[in-house]
Amino acid sequence: SQKIEQNSEALNIQEGKTATLTCNYTNYSPAYLQWYRQDPGRGPVFLLLIRENEKEKRKERLKVTFDTTLKQSLFHITASQPADSATYLCALPHTGTASKLTFGTGTRLQVTL
Amino acid sequence: SAVISQKPSRDICQRGTSLTIQCQVDSQVTMMFWYRQQPGQSLTLIATANQGSEATYESGFVIDKFPISRPNLTFSTLTVSNMSPEDSSIYLCSVESNYGYYGYTFGSGTRLTVV
Repeated sequence: SQKIEQNSEALNIQEGKTATLTCNYTNYSPAYLQWYRQDPGRGPVFLLLIRENEKEKRKERLKVTFDTTLKQSLFHITASQPADSATYLCALPHTGTASKLTFGTGTRLQVTL
Repeated sequence: SAVISQKPSRDICQRGTSLTIQCQVDSQVTMMFWYRQQPGQSLTLIATANQGSEATYESGFVIDKFPISRPNLTFSTLTVSNMSPEDSSIYLCSVESNYGYYGYTFGSGTRLTVV
């Protein structure tokens, strides 16, 4: 069955550094992959979508890569700030039903001064 | 992107009772999705609600426990029935933008505690 894995341990980094989060998946060839941010007590907020034929996508301080051979996406936040502290989720469309999303377990990022 | 109003934002309920959660979208959408997020866990899809037809439930979720209504293209409700403490979770509704290529929009969530 389709499986999505993200580092379950929190990532702690210092302000100004680059945070790199990993999303690995198995048993699937998705047409795209999405990244979301979730703050405590709130619903996820869409950040970026990268398609299978795109290697890299950027949005301001965010960069996402998508390696369909490795079945992996990397999510980078450059010049990180304490306000970037949140849980970051990757999501893939369901196998066979593209309108549904399956979410990874999420990685909590903590940016300290 | 769409804006979703979800309510209630939180509730504390007695076991054995039911709670209905509402989601109102500011534009017409074909499908609405209901998710559950248990404490410290990721989101799990409960069901997909289509206007004019019965909701489609994911494995492990049944209509008797989570009845869904979708009376029009901007509104849906999810009821959590005969609640037990194991139903304590955050419940979220969601809609897609442009077939998902512009992401999905989520409601702010309903934090349910069953005592």
